[in-house]
Amino acid sequence: DQQVKQNSPSLSVQEGRISILNCDYTNSMFDYFLWYKKYPAEGPTFLISISSIKDKNEDGRFTVFLNKSAKHLSLHIVPSQPGDSAVYFCAATRDAGKSTFGDGTTLTVKP
Amino acid sequence: NAGVTQTPKFQVLKTGQSMTLQCAQDMNHNSMYWYRQDPGMGLRLIYYSASEGTTDKGEVPNGYNVSRLNKREFSLRLESAAPSQTSVYFCASSEPASGNTIYFGEGSWLTVV
Repeated sequence: DQQVKQNSPSLSVQEGRISILNCDYTNSMFDYFLWYKKYPAEGPTFLISISSIKDKNEDGRFTVFLNKSAKHLSLHIVPSQPGDSAVYFCAATRDAGKSTFGDGTTLTVKP
Repeated sequence: NAGVTQTPKFQVLKTGQSMTLQCAQDMNHNSMYWYRQDPGMGLRLIYYSASEGTTDKGEVPNGYNVSRLNKREFSLRLESAAPSQTSVYFCASSEPASGNTIYFGEGSWLTVV
């Protein structure tokens, strides 16, 4: 049973537009959520996170929204840039324990 | 600022051969992890070590062993490699007391023929 799901394997958007990446989870005990970004031939790097006590966290062009009742979070990138093209992983943790990752969404931002 | 360093970066093995992937971190983190990533799939946890001297199985531990040599180093061993172990392997570390962020190495590409 996959506890963290990213149902869209890929997303393509035009430069300057908004990118919205989605993530669903099943375990209501998760209390912290993170997004990682991965370029080809590199390891994933941390992008942005949100605690379960919040519903929004913003960092520059990146905003993460959390809807606890729907067990859903989303990452918004505005405006999207070609350099944002990468694989984005959603992750969830409980009690600062090990993270559970989704399968990733490949974002392509077209110039 | 090295962060998490893993070696080798590339390796080709024959079925049945053994090898060890080495990993070291210089961030004084307590927790260390080994993940594998297969095409179209996410990061699956093989083994993790919550602190020096402890190791625990993750989602996909079969065919692997680990050693937490000291606080800095966490190695992953394949005793008898199989083609199903062809994958990209990532070592990672985190400090739970300082948050949940995991820091990853650059990956090791392993092919078993």
